[in-house]
Parts: sequence; structure tokens; C-alpha cells
Amino acid sequence: DAKTTQPNSMESNEEEPVHLPCNHSTISGTDYIHWYRQLPSQGPEYVIHGLTSNVNNRMASLAIAEDRKSSTLILHRATLRDAAVYYCILRVASIDYGGSQGNLIFGKGTKLSVKP
Amino acid sequence: EAGVAQSPRYKIIEKRQSVAFWCNPISGHATLYWYQQILGQGPKLLIQFQNNGVVDDSQLPKDRFSAERLKGVDSTLKIQPAKLEDSAVYLCASNLAGSYNEQFFGPGTRLTVL
Repeated sequence: DAKTTQPNSMESNEEEPVHLPCNHSTISGTDYIHWYRQLPSQGPEYVIHGLTSNVNNRMASLAIAEDRKSSTLILHRATLRDAAVYYCILRVASIDYGGSQGNLIFGKGTKLSVKP
Repeated sequence: EAGVAQSPRYKIIEKRQSVAFWCNPISGHATLYWYQQILGQGPKLLIQFQNNGVVDDSQLPKDRFSAERLKGVDSTLKIQPAKLEDSAVYLCASNLAGSYNEQFFGPGTRLTVL
């Protein structure tokens, strides 16, 4: 399985932008880059995903390097509610309904602390 | 829309006892997953169901863990007998058919084995 590398922890100030890096040098052409986050005492929740182009949604932006060997999750204005563990996951694009190829394989993620 | 429901939220047992966890996925979600999350680590997939069939149980310790989803809706995960190293949060997740779709997670059950 393709692996990702993330810093163990990062700190941010409230209302400032946060850039969470992820390295995935062994990514293959069929791997999507997914981000999930896990707030304290909750299950993980989906944040965003992309393949080659940068992506934006209401929660965050995903910037993908041209060679796709790294990506950055951008929170435009961090709030205290954004304090969580952020997981960067490579997921095989599969149209195999019911197959296991696209399963999520979590690493340890990056623990983001947000200071008021 | 109701989310993934799990019960109980907390459970404390002694080693060698048995325990069962219950999960009710989001209505209409054909795929259901059970994960184990040990403190300080990311979740690890134990088993994946598609409707009432098992797709992947390669990381399920089958000597002590079992899971079923008899009617293709809710599911139970059982541990018998429990060991100290089974202390973890057990997460249930579901998604629409197609393993690449966004997964929705429940709040988890925190198991402590003494």
C-alpha cells in the first residue's frame, strides 16, 4: 500500500491559516489523495479529496503538487473547533462496487492544536 | 439525516470475558466497516461488509473476534475471550456501495479490558 508521511504535530493561532503537509512520494497514477480528521472523542470525518487538480470545499482547500508526490491541506481560518488529528490517506480509485481496493488505511496523522 | 449509531459508548470488562458491540449504519448504506483504534494510533480496519457478505476480514483476529450483519443492515462485533491488548475504541463506519465513496463514522465504543 502506498504510504504517506505527515508531521506528528502542528500548532496554529486562531483565525490564522493553517497548512498541513503530506508527502506521498510513492503515489501511483490511480491513487486519490483523501483527508479525514478526527476531533477528540469522535470518529473520523471526511474533509476533502483530490486527484491532480487543487480542490476547494466549505471545509478546506487541497493543494496538490504538480508531480503529485506531496499535497497540502489548507484551513483558511483556523478555529478552536479545528483542533483535531488530520489524516492524509492514499486511496485507490476503484469502480469495483463491493471491492476492498479503495479501503482507508490510516497512519498516525498530524495532531493540530489551535491557540486562542 | 441520522448518522451512524453505535452502542454502548463505553464498556469495561475483565480479561477472558466476552463483549459485543452494535452498529446501525446510515440508511441505504450497503457497505459497513469495523475499525479498531488503539490509543495514539490511527484506526485499523478489522472487517468490511457489502450488504450481508464479508468483503475483507484479513485483519480480523478470527480466533477471538467475530462479526455479523445478518440482514444487511445493522451489525454486531464480538470479542470472546477478551485480552488486555483489545483495549481500544471500536469504530463503525458506512458508505454507499463502492469502496471509494466517503465513509461516515460513528462515535465509537471505548473498551477497557482489565
